[in-house]
Amino acid sequence: DIQMTQSPSSLSASVGDRVTITCRASQGIRNDLGWFQQKPGKAPKHLIYAASSLQSGVPSRFSGSGSGTEFTLTISSLQPEDFATYYCLQHNSYPLTFGGGTKVEIK
Amino acid sequence: EVQLLDSGGGLVQPGGSLRLSCAASGFTFSSYAMSWVRQAPGKGLEWVSSISGSGGSTYYADSVKGRFTISRDNSKNTLFLQMNSLRAEDTAVYYCTKTIVGVNWGQGTLVTVSS
Repeated sequence: DIQMTQSPSSLSASVGDRVTITCRASQGIRNDLGWFQQKPGKAPKHLIYAASSLQSGVPSRFSGSGSGTEFTLTISSLQPEDFATYYCLQHNSYPLTFGGGTKVEIK
Repeated sequence: EVQLLDSGGGLVQPGGSLRLSCAASGFTFSSYAMSWVRQAPGKGLEWVSSISGSGGSTYYADSVKGRFTISRDNSKNTLFLQMNSLRAEDTAVYYCTKTIVGVNWGQGTLVTVSS
């Protein structure tokens, strides 16, 4: 099974900060990776597909990069509505696996 | 507009069964794989199962293999998850998702396994 190690597990940041979240795969997954945002009590929202492509309607301050085993989600200028938990998901092979999540909190 | 409506959750005793449904609309249901993902209280996301568009291929997490069955009725645009031999650790909100990538999600349905 492919393990997804996501870091950090939490971070505190201020509005306007640049935020970077990393996911590392235990083996190469090409670019078969997505990123999700989840707010309390809500279903996850799809942000990024194929590691770096922005889902329609997602603000351009979100970006993804990486291929193989290391991937990054970047929020270029954190906005109040971005405080949430973020997850990566590898869909290269079954079983599909999520990262452990990164909770982005207000500093 | 894509809509996924999860239903069927509830309180069930350990060892019991439950059938979840996901009613889909706004897209050609039979053309897309579908998945179930769950989230235990206060925990992260866990993939549970996926099924191909035709229903001919199914995949399961080891934690549910042999106990859960995913299926679909393409004539009714509905996805199912039959859950048998339920355990306390199956307590979670269950979400259906469009494709294995998770482009769209249902609102979730809560399954509580407790005596």
